[in-house]
Amino acid sequence: EAQVTQNPRYLITVTGKKLTVTCSQNMNHEYMSWYRQDPGLGLRQIYYSMNVEVTDKGDVPEGYKVSRKEKRNFPLILESPSPNQTSLYFCASSLSHSGPNEQFFGPGTRLTVL
Amino acid sequence: AQSVTQPDIHITVSEGASLELRCNYSYGATPYLFWYVQSPGQGLQLLLKYFSGDTLVQGIKGFEAEFKRSQSSFNLRKPSVHWSDAAEYFCAVGANSGYALNFGKGTSLLVTP
Repeated sequence: EAQVTQNPRYLITVTGKKLTVTCSQNMNHEYMSWYRQDPGLGLRQIYYSMNVEVTDKGDVPEGYKVSRKEKRNFPLILESPSPNQTSLYFCASSLSHSGPNEQFFGPGTRLTVL
Repeated sequence: AQSVTQPDIHITVSEGASLELRCNYSYGATPYLFWYVQSPGQGLQLLLKYFSGDTLVQGIKGFEAEFKRSQSSFNLRKPSVHWSDAAEYFCAVGANSGYALNFGKGTSLLVTP
């Protein structure tokens, strides 16, 4: 089944404790992206990647890191999480970074930083 | 810069009634337009998309949307709402779908018996 998977689905952590949220897609998509969803703000893009080893900042990149060493994986790293990073995070992928392609979303990761 | 406005934060409709969710966009050229639905505790699922051609687009679950360039709108419609349609609906615009989709802030749909 074609899908985007994220792990973990739920995470409660404390301020300053480094964490990684994994994202993997099995559709051989070039493009991958991370969004955060906050009440009243909709979805905002954190980082995106147009292909392996190519990443760039989205609208709200502060406090986050990403890497794209393999085409299928795009982990989101919070080196020193803070409470304002408590949010619902979505990973998405699409076939290509050019032309009209829909984005497929993962199920989301709900992160709470205490 | 492109942007999306969903004027209605919450909408309540009775089961069986018709539904229209509004979406206005701001973009200089012809945009790529999407409607996504997010059921409680779920990820986002694509309902329909408009890239070019016929301005009336059919999607899944009985939804349709009409692109109106003159009004910069892409409203989502359904003739008869079911209780299972209760969810959050997001309109999104992309100049090039490989770059960021700009999402509206969402419209929460409540369906009453």
